[in-house]
Amino acid sequence: EAGVAQSPRYKIIEKRQSVAFWCNPISGHATLYWYQQILGQGPKLLIQFQNNGVVDDSQLPKDRFSAERLKGVDSTLKIQPAKLEDSAVYLCASSPPPQGNEKLFFGSGTQLSVL
Amino acid sequence: DQQVKQNSPSLSVQEGRISILNCDYTNSMFDYFLWYKKYPAEGPTFLISISSIKDKNEDGRFTVFLNKSAKHLSLHIVPSQPGDSAVYFCAASDSGGTSYGKLTFGQGTILTVHP
Repeated sequence: EAGVAQSPRYKIIEKRQSVAFWCNPISGHATLYWYQQILGQGPKLLIQFQNNGVVDDSQLPKDRFSAERLKGVDSTLKIQPAKLEDSAVYLCASSPPPQGNEKLFFGSGTQLSVL
Repeated sequence: DQQVKQNSPSLSVQEGRISILNCDYTNSMFDYFLWYKKYPAEGPTFLISISSIKDKNEDGRFTVFLNKSAKHLSLHIVPSQPGDSAVYFCAASDSGGTSYGKLTFGQGTILTVHP
């Protein structure tokens, strides 16, 4: 079974530039999550989708971060403009039914460095 | 507001001995707890979980204990093996909340098992 796919693997940008990350969840997983993991901290939920609807985006900095999940499958997370404090690993995860299943399957993440 | 805390940044044990990783939480609404393991350059992978209706769950060499009154859980690995060397994250969720499946993670503990 293919796992959660993420790209790119690494990204280096300068502050105020924009960046986008892509995620393809495991087939059949209706719930998709984006987590931000800053060095030395645990992952923090940014946004949760159920199919193509947003369930929770309470911790998403909406002035600069946006995310979409078209057709309830792939998802993109965008940062515009980036700040130095956005340097982190961005993890995508998905979970199978039933809804609310906490056993998440994570991708390898995108490591973002903002200079 | 750190709702899930892992106060030991690192732990070093000898192969064959017991590893005990600890986790404390403050939110009394949390009712489901998980441990994830993370190797370098990979995403976290699910290890073991426990519901608040139980105080112990065992899976092979891994056992999780939950003390609800103390808001404390621990992961025991017996016997420890060098391949267990990784970062271990404790996570918690409020399954009765609106964001079902939303996990709050601790900061992680780096476990090193020496041959």
